[in-house]
Order: sequence, then C-alpha cells, then structure tokens
Amino acid sequence: ETGVTQTPRHLVMGMTNKKSLKCEQHLGHNAMYWYKQSAKKPLELMFVYSLEERVENNSVPSRFSPECPNSSHLFLHLHTLQPEDSALYLCASSQRTGGHQPQHFGDGTRLSIL
Amino acid sequence: AQSVAQPEDQVNVAEGNPLTVKCTYSVSGNPYLFWYVQYPNRGLQFLLKYITGDNLVKGSYGFEAEFNKSQTSFHLKKPSALVSDSALYFCAVLGGGYQKVTFGTGTKLQVIP
Repeated sequence: ETGVTQTPRHLVMGMTNKKSLKCEQHLGHNAMYWYKQSAKKPLELMFVYSLEERVENNSVPSRFSPECPNSSHLFLHLHTLQPEDSALYLCASSQRTGGHQPQHFGDGTRLSIL
Repeated sequence: AQSVAQPEDQVNVAEGNPLTVKCTYSVSGNPYLFWYVQYPNRGLQFLLKYITGDNLVKGSYGFEAEFNKSQTSFHLKKPSALVSDSALYFCAVLGGGYQKVTFGTGTKLQVIP
C-alpha cells in the first residue's frame, strides 16, 4: 500500500472541460508535491506545498491551479487544457521539504486531452 | 544549481547477471542521493538513499548503490538480476541548500530471461 492515493487513475477530457485531480496522503507528512511525467522527458516538478503553503511554482501555466486545504489533501484543478498537457500526473509527499527523507508517490492520474 | 545525469536510456541484462545503472550528479556541498523505481502504471517507489557515512548503501529488493565523491557518481547495482527487476529507474539529488529534489531522466532496465 502506497500511503498516497490519487483519484481518478484515468481521466479523459476535452479542452474546454474543467476537472480536478485529487491526492490524499495517510503518512502524516508536511510536504506535498505535484509532478508531470511525459514520455521521454524528465520528471517535471510543478508545485510544492509545505504545511499547506505553496513554496514552489515552476512557471506552470495558469490553466493548472493547485489547492492544498490541509496537510493531507492536495488538488490540481484543470481548465482549458491543451493536447500537450496529456501526461501522467504524480502526487508525492515527504516529511518536509529540503530534507533527506524520501518522497512517497501515488500511482498517478493518466490524463488524456482530446 | 544541482543536476543529475543518467547517461543510458536503456540497459539490457541477462537474468542472473549483475546489473549496473549509472548516475552522475552535480551539486554544491554535500549531496543527498536517491534511487527510485517505477513499475508500469505505478508511481515511483523509493529504493535507497545516501546521506553520509559508508559509501556503499544497501536498499530494497537486493539493490545497492555506491557513492563515489571523486567521480560524483552514485551507480545502482545488483549482483544477480531478476526478470521482475525490469522497470524504470530514477536517480535523484538534493544538496547545496536546495529545497527540492532534482530527478534524472530515468533508465529503463530490461532483464532478459
């Protein structure tokens, strides 16, 4: 059991739709992350939250909007996406940012934009 | 800045043979180094890490990695490969006061029966 749960596992949406990805961690961690994984590209860090405060935003387009209501939950709100946004979106958590504690990943949401 | 390089997109090895997946890094100061594995349709799973101390680090599933400061490398090794080891392997580094981990591009390991 991963300790980090992502829903849905698969999502197909049109470019005009609005949807949200959900991540929940049961590990008592204080930091949560969103990554984008595309084929043949490095893992891209999108957002980092530490104690529910956003501490990193790597020039991600505004059509991606994160939300962290508490230290256990992380959302990624999607709207007006582009075909190049099709990818695997991974959520991760760790005890804190900047430390040597490893990150724990969910199994991802496979997003396809029509 | 910090960076990590995995020079091989794919490594093929026969079952039962030793395997090595290469990783080199660049960071200011002392690094924290990690290896993760990703099986199909799954997220990344932590294998092992180097913080300080013994240069040979042992991890899950019989994997180990050797930290070499002079060569700035952290290669992943296993004495005898299993078909079930076939997966995507990621090296990662954190150091120099950075707050975020930098991942490599991944190496696909194919163990041939």
